Amino acid sequence: QKEVEQNSGPLSVPEGAIASLNCTYSDRGSQSFFWYRQYSGKSPELIMSIYSNGDKEDGRFTAQLNKASQYVSLLIRDSQPSDSATYLCAVKLNFGNEKLTFGTGTRLTIIP
Amino acid sequence: DTAVSQTPKYLVTQMGNDKSIKCEQNLGHDTMYWYKQDSKKFLKIMFSYNNKELIINETVPNRFSPKSPDKAHLNLHINSLELGDSAVYFCASSQDPTRTDTQYFGPGTRLTVL
Repeated sequence: QKEVEQNSGPLSVPEGAIASLNCTYSDRGSQSFFWYRQYSGKSPELIMSIYSNGDKEDGRFTAQLNKASQYVSLLIRDSQPSDSATYLCAVKLNFGNEKLTFGTGTRLTIIP
Repeated sequence: DTAVSQTPKYLVTQMGNDKSIKCEQNLGHDTMYWYKQDSKKFLKIMFSYNNKELIINETVPNRFSPKSPDKAHLNLHINSLELGDSAVYFCASSQDPTRTDTQYFGPGTRLTVL
């Protein structure tokens, strides 16, 4: 079982709709969760971090965490063509392990 | 004003050669990382240094040797290159090892081994 799993996509969403990206992780000790966006040929950039159960909103982005289900998601409201990218979920164990473990990413395409 | 820079951006070389990739950050961060991203976009950490000391060393062939001359620089030397080493290598930095959430990535070096 992979440590961090994501549907590779591609996920196609009409412009203006809500894009929903999902991620599951295997280690129950995971404490910190991140979403990175990576445009083709570019480096990853952090867009959201979440540390406790529930929702965290930042502009059009909402991260959702459910530690009991070992599940983290990213919602993008009012999707724009500029949101087309690969979204990488990353998970970190705390307690001295500072390594980020990434999923394989979901490729999102927003259709105008 | 580049925060994390890498050179070269592209590297094409023959199997068996030795090559180096350089990374520099001007953010004043203490911790630097090397990641490998394969053709399927899987991003995996290789090494991490904090204040010139190795703190993360994943299962990486010993043909890969990181070197940190000072906390602003982390270079990656690869001996006896193999086809499977072809990937994009990203350098990253963070303020300290506990601040992985504020990790800044360099532009990447695309290595192609022929």
